[in-house]
Amino acid sequence: DIVMTQSPDSLAVSLGERATINCKSSQSVLYSSNNKNYLAWYQQNPGQPPKLLIYWASTRESGVPDRFSGSGSGTDFTLTISSLQAEDVAVYHCHQYYTTPGTFGQGTRLEI
Amino acid sequence: EVQLVQSGAEVKKPGESLKISCKGSGYSFSSYWIGWVRQMPGKGLEWVGIIHPGDSDTRYNASFEGQVTISADKSISTAYLQWSSLQASDTAIYYCARFKAVANTAYGMDVWGQGTTVTVSS
Repeated sequence: DIVMTQSPDSLAVSLGERATINCKSSQSVLYSSNNKNYLAWYQQNPGQPPKLLIYWASTRESGVPDRFSGSGSGTDFTLTISSLQAEDVAVYHCHQYYTTPGTFGQGTRLEI
Repeated sequence: EVQLVQSGAEVKKPGESLKISCKGSGYSFSSYWIGWVRQMPGKGLEWVGIIHPGDSDTRYNASFEGQVTISADKSISTAYLQWSSLQASDTAIYYCARFKAVANTAYGMDVWGQGTTVTVSS
């Protein structure tokens, strides 16, 4: 199975500041036939299911604010929130769907 | 509106059986994979398995194979996750989610159910 490792485990950022979360996979998740990284980011608020923010490592899901961006390729990926808002306090998960079973990072708790 | 609605919370004793459900609406249920994801108390997400309701093609995480059974009834747009003999370690929230894969391109889990809390305690 592909192992997904996020860093840091928790992060405190001031309102309006930038937040950066990293995710590393134990092997490449780049699908060569379409040159897409099969890597997604989810936001999970307390007591709620995860919500898809980013797929293909860098494509925002419809309705997701543009302060959220994803980058990276192969095995190293980053989720960036350009200007933290109060409603962004949540746990963020990366997920590779390149192989079965899909696997998730351990989650990063983002606080103000 | 595209949505997945899961069955309600369950409290069971060790050794009992259980089947929880996930009903899709607002889209062609038979055309998209449905995955099940476990979240143990205070922990991260674990991929349990996935099923294509159109042909019942099912894939399991080896960690869960033999412990659970995933099935679907496309006639009523519902997927299921079941246990024949629950253990205390099965206590968790279980989410179903639509896995969007179209024309050999996969997008991720774009629609999630609200979660079903399963508590196993003597």
